[in-house]
Amino acid sequence: GAGVSQSPSNKVTEKGKDVELRCDPISGHTALYWYRQSLGQGLEFLIYFQGNSAPDKSGLPSDRFSAERTGGSVSTLTIQRTQQEDSAVYLCASSLTDRLTWGTGELFFGEGSRLTVL
Amino acid sequence: AQRVTQPEKLLSVFKGAPVELKCNYSYSGSPELFWYVQYSRQRLQLLLRHISRESIKGFTADLNKGETSFHLKKPFAQEEDSAMYYCAPETSGSRLTFGEGTQLTVNP
Repeated sequence: GAGVSQSPSNKVTEKGKDVELRCDPISGHTALYWYRQSLGQGLEFLIYFQGNSAPDKSGLPSDRFSAERTGGSVSTLTIQRTQQEDSAVYLCASSLTDRLTWGTGELFFGEGSRLTVL
Repeated sequence: AQRVTQPEKLLSVFKGAPVELKCNYSYSGSPELFWYVQYSRQRLQLLLRHISRESIKGFTADLNKGETSFHLKKPFAQEEDSAMYYCAPETSGSRLTFGEGTQLTVNP
């Protein structure tokens, strides 16, 4: 498939455990975003990667959250010591360029990883 | 504070009726503006962008800089328009900030 791929699609974990969520962006897309979608909260920006630049981590809610992007492609979002309030759908998106107003300038989203913390 | 507001969480109209989904923003400068849509069991996807001045699936969005609004409109709603709609200004750093969304239901 040519779309953004996320895994796992569903993850149930116990409070206090660590989880890793994976995102495979569309090949050739230089920009990669993570968002969190909670019931009644809309989409919350978490982190943004663009090429070799330092990531914009300004949306990460706490130091339990971290993300990396290896080789400019695959990204992993890690949540340590999960809490019940971390339960949400975590969406990954990629974009061909870093300027949304130029070129195709469109975010392509994955289907998300639904995290449930018991 | 910079923010985007979609005042209606739920909006219900009948097929054939006009529909308007409201979006107000408070960002400095002139941010580029987008509407994204998520149909049931589908991925979130771009519906339209202000810069293109386009009409997609009969929807248009007018930017009113004086009111800082970017409302989404369609003159005759269809049942297949039922979905969650998100208004999204592009804020500094080339990222989109999404509103809380409006769930549109078009009844037969």
